[in-house]
Amino acid sequence: SAVISQKPSRDICQRGTSLTIQCQVDSQVTMMFWYRQQPGQSLTLIATANQGSEATYESGFVIDKFPISRPNLTFSTLTVSNMSPEDSSIYLCSVISREGGEAFFGQGTRLTVV
Amino acid sequence: SQKIEQNSEALNIQEGKTATLTCNYTNYSPAYLQWYRQDPGRGPVFLLLIRENEKEKRKERLKVTFDTTLKQSLFHITASQPADSATYLCALTSGGYNKLIFGAGTRLAVHP
Repeated sequence: SAVISQKPSRDICQRGTSLTIQCQVDSQVTMMFWYRQQPGQSLTLIATANQGSEATYESGFVIDKFPISRPNLTFSTLTVSNMSPEDSSIYLCSVISREGGEAFFGQGTRLTVV
Repeated sequence: SQKIEQNSEALNIQEGKTATLTCNYTNYSPAYLQWYRQDPGRGPVFLLLIRENEKEKRKERLKVTFDTTLKQSLFHITASQPADSATYLCALTSGGYNKLIFGAGTRLAVHP
């Protein structure tokens, strides 16, 4: 299993500003995944963060809006840039178990943009 | 296009009954399928994984079936309890590196 510490757990931000979300894993992992969960919706994959290379973004998500850093095998950040109220969501980081394929999630960051 | 469909309507059942949730998918050939539980304000928690060559998997009161011909998985909770009330998500792998794609989830409410 993996334990993921994600922070902040929640924030209220002004539109036009940026927020950086951090995830720390208790073991080394090759890939980390960032998801968005809008109110009442399921999880949508934003991007896959690989250590030592640029993140791979899903359709509809771009690096300028959601820059990602992956400086080492246990840590990643996601920045939500130039925020608007439409960015209000829960953001989750995740890793996948090497052994079994199951995913482990951070506790999520509840972002409200006003 | 690829789709994962779960019943978007909430499932309401009486305590002690068996809850059955459905996950259908199209245009995927997943190596395995997973079920997660999500409580309000929390991240999903892994429950069960079933591989393409397995028809059924059990864990305590949980049972999952996987029919790759029908492209469907059923998730059963037997002897349901109010504590089982949550949203249940199915997820499939996509891409060569186990990227997980989630269905919309089904909310289960177990009433005493």
